[in-house]
Amino acid sequence: SQQGEEDPQALSIQEGENATMNCSYKTSINNLQWYRQNSGRGLVHLILIRSNEREKHSGRLRVTLDTSKKSSSLLITASRAADTASYFCATDAGDYKLSFGAGTTVTVRA
Amino acid sequence: EAQVTQNPRYLITVTGKKLTVTCSQNMNHEYMSWYRQDPGLGLRQIYYSMNVEVTDKGDVPEGYKVSRKEKRNFPLILESPSPNQTSLYFCASSFTVAGGADGYTFGSGTRLTVV
Repeated sequence: SQQGEEDPQALSIQEGENATMNCSYKTSINNLQWYRQNSGRGLVHLILIRSNEREKHSGRLRVTLDTSKKSSSLLITASRAADTASYFCATDAGDYKLSFGAGTTVTVRA
Repeated sequence: EAQVTQNPRYLITVTGKKLTVTCSQNMNHEYMSWYRQDPGLGLRQIYYSMNVEVTDKGDVPEGYKVSRKEKRNFPLILESPSPNQTSLYFCASSFTVAGGADGYTFGSGTRLTVV
């Protein structure tokens, strides 16, 4: 079952701008993770935020989590061409798997 | 290099011809899982394995089989492939069921076309 839903489905920005994407989910979770996928390749883990955390940073990435609204956001600051990819949120709801959304496709224009 | 290796990368086959997609990891991970990715549907879990000889169904197990005879290998078997199994398949592994701090490590994917 698809737990998370990303919004928007697609995003196009200029190099140097910030990119923000959101994830909404349905059930309570232990943690939420964000992954990046380059053009049909395998997903790469970016960052994990636990249910008792509200914000987390990793390099140019900032993740927030609002468990009352069942939503998370991923901000990529000062985007680069190499950030062009699809981004997925994945939730751990304690059911022996990560549940992934359909992803947000980000295009960074030079 | 720590990695999950899937083979083949691309496969075109005919309806009904049994096939196996191999998956191997070199990180001594206990948890392994298979997902399929279809446009607009994200990744859906097919089967997972908590350890050797321990496997269970995911969300879309129909038409698939798996086995876990060794810790490092987790092959996906399609006994009688059908066109609706045309998809991009990913194997993933981790130390824990939900990845923990390092998340899942994914293979590069297998693009399967069933005609």
